[in-house]
Amino acid sequence: RKEVEQDPGPFNVPEGATVAFNCTYSNSASQSFFWYRQDCRKEPKLLMSVYSSGNEDGRFTAQLNRASQYISLLIRDSKLSDSATYLCVVRSGYSTLTFGKGTMLLVSP
Amino acid sequence: GAGVSQSPSNKVTEKGKDVELRCDPISGHTALYWYRQRLGQGLEFLIYFQGNSAPDKSGLPSDRFSAERTGESVSTLTIQRTQQEDSAVYLCASSLPRWTTTWGQETQYFGPGTRLLVL
Repeated sequence: RKEVEQDPGPFNVPEGATVAFNCTYSNSASQSFFWYRQDCRKEPKLLMSVYSSGNEDGRFTAQLNRASQYISLLIRDSKLSDSATYLCVVRSGYSTLTFGKGTMLLVSP
Repeated sequence: GAGVSQSPSNKVTEKGKDVELRCDPISGHTALYWYRQRLGQGLEFLIYFQGNSAPDKSGLPSDRFSAERTGESVSTLTIQRTQQEDSAVYLCASSLPRWTTTWGQETQYFGPGTRLLVL
């Protein structure tokens, strides 16, 4: 089992749609969780950290279920500019982050 | 302020040659990371530097790969005797010292990467 697994994608949605990304991780000792966004041929950038109680930032909501070792990202009212690859990221050790392969989102007019 | 910078932005080399990639972290960021991203794949951790501590080299794929960092500044990643499977984007990231943020939540800021193509 891969350390961090994400929906393979791509997700094609119209503007205004709600889209959800799922991610599972294998290491039950994982301690920190993040969603990063990577635009085509660009570097990844932090979108949001994921806290145990769940957290929201505008149209974006992140959830964590430690018992199921599952993380989700919900995007409401999607915009064309949301088109990117969304990376699920987990910190298990002292220093390293483990990245999922990412799920590509394509928002169309 | 300036972000993480990397050079060169693109590098084409012949199989068997050595290459050196450079990363300039954000000033004041004591942590520095190198990752590799092959086409269509996720990021692979290579090596981590934190201040003057011994680096975490657990991600280096072979002894052809090495990295150095001078104090808390520039880092170089060297790949010796390059192979075609080394072709990838090499990304560098830096972050603030752990004790300045909630543990485990420090943000990593990535540079634009070096696109390496080994022919």
